[in-house]
Parts: sequence; structure tokens; C-alpha cells
Amino acid sequence: DIQVTQSPSSLSASVGDRVTITCRASQSISRFLNWYQQKPGKAPKLLIYAASSLESGVPSRFSGSGSGADFTLTISNLQPEDFATYYCQQSYSTRTFGQGTKVEIK
Amino acid sequence: QVQLQESGPGLVKPSQTLSLTCNVSGGSISSGGYYWTWIRQHPGKGLEWIGYIYHTGTTYYNPSLKSRITISVDTSKNQFSLRLTSVTAADTALYYCARDARGGYSGPTDHWGQGILVTVSS
Repeated sequence: DIQVTQSPSSLSASVGDRVTITCRASQSISRFLNWYQQKPGKAPKLLIYAASSLESGVPSRFSGSGSGADFTLTISNLQPEDFATYYCQQSYSTRTFGQGTKVEIK
Repeated sequence: QVQLQESGPGLVKPSQTLSLTCNVSGGSISSGGYYWTWIRQHPGKGLEWIGYIYHTGTTYYNPSLKSRITISVDTSKNQFSLRLTSVTAADTALYYCARDARGGYSGPTDHWGQGILVTVSS
């Protein structure tokens, strides 16, 4: 099984900040890494797929990078509606999610 | 726009079988091109992939749950189902169904149901 380690588990940030979340896979997964945003009481929402492709309708302040085993989600100019929990997911072989990162207001 | 809706009992007794169904609208399972997935989320915790099924009936399961789960598909009703046997309190979770593998086997999970909370308790 492919394991995915996501960090940090939580972070505090202010509106306007730049935030970075990382995911590391236990083996190379090429670029098959997706990012989701989940708000309380809601299903996760796809933000980024294939490491760096922005899902339709997602603001351009969200970006992804990486390949192989190391990946990054960056939120530039953090907005109030971005305070949520973020998950990475490898889709190279079946599916595995990272542990999640809760982005809180500082 | 494809929509997914989970249904089933919200309360299951320990040792019994949890059965959930996901109704798909706005798209046909039998058309192929996607996997149909079950994911769960324990209260206050992260996401756990349970398994998925293709319209042909091919399934892939999470190894940690494989001995207890069955995912099936009914293309005539445009729905797929999850059975989880011998449940315990540790199976209490919010269960999501979702559409997976957009654009190919390694594509993302792009549409989710709203989730259904299942509590295991006597």
C-alpha cells in the first residue's frame, strides 16, 4: 500500500498570508496527487488534480506542485473562506488520503 | 451535473451488517469511464478510502477492510452499494459515496455525495 504523510496537521494564519501544505508519498506516484478542501459539515471538494491542475471554478490563489513523492499545496493571499481542512490523496494505486491539515485563523 | 445520494440506516447494532446504497443521477454508471467509490470519515478524523467498483463489477478494496466489505453495482438502477459485516463501534463514521477516476484509472475523485452518518450501537 502507498502511504501518504501530510504536514503540518494544523496551522494558524492570517487573511492575506501565503500558506504551504506538503504531502510525501511512501513511493513515487508520478504526478497522481490530488488536493481537497473540506469545510465543517460538508463533503470534500476537489481543488487540484494531477499535482498542479486547477479544478474548474477554483480560485487561482490555489496552486499545486511536485512530482515523484513530494508535493505542495500553496494558498496565496489567504481569504476568509479558505479556513478549512485540506487533504491530499494519491490516486496512483487505489486511493490513500493524507491525514489532513486544518487551517485556522490566527 | 452528476449527483450522488447515500441512503441506508443511520443506526446499526454491533456484529450486524451495515448496508448503504448510493443513487447516482445526472450520469450513467453503465457508460463506464469512472470508478464508484466509498469513503468514510470517523467523527472528527480524516478520510479513509473503503473501496471502489467499475461498472463491470470489478472491485478494489482497502486491505484493512477487505475481509468485511463488499461493494456491488446495479446498473439498471444506476446505483452502487456497500456492505460491511461484523460492525463494531469503530465503524461509526460518516460514509460518503463518490465518483472517481475521472479521465482514467488514476484520475481524481471529483463528485461526492453529502454523506450519511452511521452509528454502531446497541
